[in-house]
Amino acid sequence: SAVISQKPSRDICQRGTSLTIQCQVDSQVTMMFWYRQQPGQSLTLIATANQGSEATYESGFVIDKFPISRPNLTFSTLTVSNMSPEDSSIYLCSSTEVTEAFFGQGTRLTVV
Amino acid sequence: GNSVTQMEGPVTLSEEAFLTINCTYTATGYPSLFWYVQYPGEGLQLLLKATKADDKGSNKGFEATYRKETTSFHLEKGSVQVSDSAVYFCALINFGNEKLTFGTGTRLTIIP
Repeated sequence: SAVISQKPSRDICQRGTSLTIQCQVDSQVTMMFWYRQQPGQSLTLIATANQGSEATYESGFVIDKFPISRPNLTFSTLTVSNMSPEDSSIYLCSSTEVTEAFFGQGTRLTVV
Repeated sequence: GNSVTQMEGPVTLSEEAFLTINCTYTATGYPSLFWYVQYPGEGLQLLLKATKADDKGSNKGFEATYRKETTSFHLEKGSVQVSDSAVYFCALINFGNEKLTFGTGTRLTIIP
């Protein structure tokens, strides 16, 4: 099973700034996924990140706000840009392997 | 498209009570089904899974059976403990699509 290391685990940021979240997988994976979990809500998929191509964003999410990098098969970053208090959420990365999905520990972001 | 409908919470039970959290799904093809658990302040952990009809997933005393005829995957535990207090998410994935679809989550609180 894959192990995903995500950092930072939490951060408090000023509005208008940007935060980059990193995820490292201990094995090569084709697809990685980024989710947002707003307070008291379920998980919403932000985008799918494939190595060597641009990320595919879900409805309501745009690249300018959530740029994603996928430089190789074991690593991805998500940047939350020009943050506002509405971006306060838990952000999680994920990958799938055979019949299972694995998650990073999550990044708890608070924007003040 | 895929969807997961999950029993709304919050659910509060006394220790040693019987637990059922209902989950039904809509999906094309033959999805794999999952229950994830999120303990307070932590990320998502896979609790159990089932990959085909009539499979029973089990872990830590929890069970769920993949019922294709009723498109359900209800979570059960015979005797809950205070340490089971968490948010539980039902989810599905159609491999090939690789995207997880989550239910809304059910917050479970067990009181001594």
